Amino acid sequence: LAKTTQPISMDSYEGQEVNITCSHNNIATNDYITWYQQFPSQGPRFIIQGYKTKVTNEVASLFIPADRKSSTLSLPRVSLSDTAVYYCLVGVHGSGNTGKLIFGQGTTLQVKP
Amino acid sequence: SAVISQKPSRDICQRGTSLTIQCQVDSQVTMMFWYRQQPGQSLTLIATANQGSEATYESGFVIDKFPISRPNLTFSTLTVSNMSPEDSSIYLCSVVAGGSTDTQYFGPGTRLTVL
Repeated sequence: LAKTTQPISMDSYEGQEVNITCSHNNIATNDYITWYQQFPSQGPRFIIQGYKTKVTNEVASLFIPADRKSSTLSLPRVSLSDTAVYYCLVGVHGSGNTGKLIFGQGTTLQVKP
Repeated sequence: SAVISQKPSRDICQRGTSLTIQCQVDSQVTMMFWYRQQPGQSLTLIATANQGSEATYESGFVIDKFPISRPNLTFSTLTVSNMSPEDSSIYLCSVVAGGSTDTQYFGPGTRLTVL
């Protein structure tokens, strides 16, 4: 399972776009990239998953360059309620999925008014 | 998706005692996992608990300390045995549920404090 590296913390203000970049230099061919969000006193919540290029859903966008050695989670126009810890994980998808998720340190995002 | 509940939500226990945490899922799932999250830290995988097989423990975790049951496809328990203050953590269960994304869903966690 590929190791990931993220910034420990980030600050932003309401209404700004936030981009959190994750490095995963040893990502394997079958690995997908998944981001989770965790609020205090809650379990992590799935945000978005991708394999390459760009993925967008109602919550966020995920940008993955061609070499897949990094990925960027983009949160448009953040609000105070987006203050949370964001985890980037890589792992096998589909039939080869053992389900194991290895969490890195995560990025604590603090959104200020 | 999957909705997961855990019991108890929190507990305060004396050292040397044991606590069993229950995890209930609203749908049948094959893959279920137990994690520990120590204060201010990230999540650490304790074990994989797939129905019909013995739990598989990660390095640093043993069955005698963290026995796990998985009697059916919607339920699992994790016991924290012979507790010490170092076991004070949040314990979370998670499942892989449905569809092609193999998304993992987490329970709300059980906050354990050992005195």
